[in-house]
Amino acid sequence: GDSVTQTEGPVTVSESESLIINCTYSATSIAYPNLFWYVRYPGEGLQLLLKVITAGQKGSSRGFEATYNKETTSFHLQKASVQESDSAVYYCALYNQGKLIFGQGTKLSIKP
Amino acid sequence: AQTIHQWPVAEIKAVGSPLSLGCTIKGKSSPNLYWYWQATGGTLQQLFYSITVGQVESVVQLNLSASRPKDDQFILSTEKLLLSHSGFYLCAWSLRGGPSGNTLYFGEGSRLIVV
Repeated sequence: GDSVTQTEGPVTVSESESLIINCTYSATSIAYPNLFWYVRYPGEGLQLLLKVITAGQKGSSRGFEATYNKETTSFHLQKASVQESDSAVYYCALYNQGKLIFGQGTKLSIKP
Repeated sequence: AQTIHQWPVAEIKAVGSPLSLGCTIKGKSSPNLYWYWQATGGTLQQLFYSITVGQVESVVQLNLSASRPKDDQFILSTEKLLLSHSGFYLCAWSLRGGPSGNTLYFGEGSRLIVV
């Protein structure tokens, strides 16, 4: 079946440092699934951060970027300079046939 | 603007007791609706989805059931809770079809602890 694997957490990064959270996917019944990053801030619900539906394209939101790489089946999340407010749990996901398949989530903590 | 409201926010229930979790979506007619569940330390997984009133498809068998009594309401329930039902339950909606039909919007979740 389809699956998503992302960086094992927790991850701690110092404020203003760069961040990368790795995400790789496996989709057995579709060549190019739609890919998503969701985020859950402390005390809040799950929010869509960004999505990319076309292989080779890049999505961006709130300073985060992710590029859909069909060759390496990856969708890594990057930010050049993190802030304390980025502390959250980040989930990579793929969409196929009416279902969102999530990775296990990566908890990110920012050191002031 | 669309809003999604889940209730209750949190519950502590005894093994063998009944459960009902609810979800209401306002500002969007005829959405697709979903229930997701995350066990502590586990991955979010889809439990049910519904594309119309009265119709619910089960994705994962967990001794839970779901119903859609109204266009804007989705209910998750069981008559007898198990310890393994503990976790975080999320309701979500999406547009029906079209290029945005693949994007799910989630509620704030209901945390369930079974003791």
